[in-house]
Amino acid sequence: GQNIDQPTEMTATEGAIVQINCTYQTSGFNGLFWYQQHAGEAPTFLSYNVLDGLEEKGRFSSFLSRSKGYSYLLLKELQMKDSASYLCAVMDSNYQLIWGAGTKLIIKP
Amino acid sequence: ETGVTQSPTHLIKTRGQQVTLRCSSQSGHNTVSWYQQALGQGPQFIFQYYREEENGRGNFPPRFSGLQFPNYSSELNVNALELDDSALYLCASSLEGQAFSGANVLTFGAGSRLTVL
Repeated sequence: GQNIDQPTEMTATEGAIVQINCTYQTSGFNGLFWYQQHAGEAPTFLSYNVLDGLEEKGRFSSFLSRSKGYSYLLLKELQMKDSASYLCAVMDSNYQLIWGAGTKLIIKP
Repeated sequence: ETGVTQSPTHLIKTRGQQVTLRCSSQSGHNTVSWYQQALGQGPQFIFQYYREEENGRGNFPPRFSGLQFPNYSSELNVNALELDDSALYLCASSLEGQAFSGANVLTFGAGSRLTVL
């Protein structure tokens, strides 16, 4: 079966750095997405990786290792507004997105 | 450009009833996908519509059906509602149904929260 694993919840301090991990087992791979979802709101796109390596976009970076079935989302200089759920999703061989359950990130002052 | 809009935002139904949820895709997008998101879970793919035809379906029973209209808007219909159908239903639009590119990012609507009593 297809499976996306990510931690259920993480806590970090304002101004710090946090890394949210995602491991996956899917039938085929056509890219990995990270989305941010604030409570009661729609998921919003953060990043897309299809090749191995690090993609940096401002305070957010995303890393992919296809051989290990592993990705992480790195958030720097954390702000209170970063408190949200972070969803990892993999596009499989049928171009369908398989989603993880999300990691709830709690930022403390 | 306008984003993805969904209606209604909240609704309450009783078991056995039927519900129709509506979605207007983002301007320029021709593909619509529907997802079910239970509380504390990630979205589960229901189906996708491209050129008014279903071109992908997740593990949902036939009582979940949909339509896409010539203006690319879409409806999700659920018959014979069950208590477990209570969830946030998300619509997402994108450009192109089959070919994928890094730019083919899903744009989500805010969702319709369905409660089945």
